[in-house]
Amino acid sequence: DAEITQSPRHKITETGRQVTLACHQTWNHNNMFWYRQDLGHGLRLIHYSYGVQDTNKGEVSDGYSVSRSNTEDLPLTLESAASSQTSVYFCASSERQGIDEAFFGQGTRLTVV
Amino acid sequence: GQNIDQPTEMTATEGAIVQINCTYQTSGFNGLFWYQQHAGEAPTFLSYNVLDGLEEKGRFSSFLSRSKGYSYLLLKELQMKDSASYLCAYNAGNNRKLIWGLGTSLAVNP
Repeated sequence: DAEITQSPRHKITETGRQVTLACHQTWNHNNMFWYRQDLGHGLRLIHYSYGVQDTNKGEVSDGYSVSRSNTEDLPLTLESAASSQTSVYFCASSERQGIDEAFFGQGTRLTVV
Repeated sequence: GQNIDQPTEMTATEGAIVQINCTYQTSGFNGLFWYQQHAGEAPTFLSYNVLDGLEEKGRFSSFLSRSKGYSYLLLKELQMKDSASYLCAYNAGNNRKLIWGLGTSLAVNP
């Protein structure tokens, strides 16, 4: 069965370190997204991609970057982790964005100390 | 601008019916989604409405009125496992991004 997986599921890192969260999907979807979810803010879009070599900034992209070298993967990098980036991160993919359902990964709980 | 609103919390009794409302204000609209999210888990898709009216899917139904900027999710024959957060999100039409509500936390009591 097709799926979307994130790793790691939990991560504790120190302020200032670079961190990469992995997202891998086997749906063969062109559209992939990274969200963060915090109490009182709901799901906020960090970065998204509509295909290989395509990346776009979302509403809270500062301090984050992504790259899309193949269809399956969209890793999210925190260039210099800050305590404000402590959050739960979700990766998602969809066949036709905004029309078809999005499939979410299990989430990564990141703590920056 | 873009704005979406839903109640923060609701409580209901097992076996009952509950309606979760979602209102939105947008200059562009191309459909509205409902997702369910259990605590500590990922959101999962429930429904998508792009035309006015009611869409029924088993115990869950979703309604949309585009002219009123209003949608609701109707849950019938509530079960304890329906205790979760329910997220509405609309497609604003511009580059296909979704605008998410904060979610409604539903507690189903015995």
